[in-house]
Amino acid sequence: QSALTQPRSVSGSPGQSVTISCTGTSSDVGRYNYVSWYQQYPGKAPKLMIYDVTNRPSGVPDRFSGSKSGNTASLTISGLQAEDEADYYCCSYAGTYTWVFGGGTKLTVL
Amino acid sequence: EVQLVESGGGLVQPGGSLRLSCVASGFTLSTYWMNWVRQAPGKGLVWVARINSDESTTNYADSVKGRFTISRDNAKSTLYLQMNSLRDEDTAVYYCVRGGYYMAVWGKGTTVTVSS
Repeated sequence: QSALTQPRSVSGSPGQSVTISCTGTSSDVGRYNYVSWYQQYPGKAPKLMIYDVTNRPSGVPDRFSGSKSGNTASLTISGLQAEDEADYYCCSYAGTYTWVFGGGTKLTVL
Repeated sequence: EVQLVESGGGLVQPGGSLRLSCVASGFTLSTYWMNWVRQAPGKGLVWVARINSDESTTNYADSVKGRFTISRDNAKSTLYLQMNSLRDEDTAVYYCVRGGYYMAVWGKGTTVTVSS
């Protein structure tokens, strides 16, 4: 149950696109299409942004998109806005009803 | 409105016990898998435990296996986490989360501090 690997921080200017990577193994990210992404503001509970690799829950802007290749999943945020500045976490199903999160990425909007 | 409200957190000494509760409203608890996820101060999210809808199966992170027990009372729309043999490293905000293969709905969390 080792944590998935995410960059500690990423940044971008308003209007630009940023991509956050999430690297796991062939036992989690590479094996299952159950990767999800969460946005968390300081002192607040996380919010689901992407589920099942590519799906957006109702209410999440289509600026947020997800993808996966091999053992690495990615979250792309296009048309960056100031309100996107937050921490982002990936999560993958790891088999036998266990889950593993990434270490989190702090997104700074310059 | 779908809502999860945790309670039961507090300060406890190492080796002590605590029981967290999570009351669900706005949906029928009995039809969903439920989880506990925790976040140590300044750290990332960590999945802790999961229970299926009829309580027939429970699963745990290695770090809490044998010490924590997840349970539910569907009639009371309440999820529980019994935490025994608490350690300093169990200090965290504990979130109650509705979810199957993804964590769809989160409570606001309850804080557990393990310290002498």
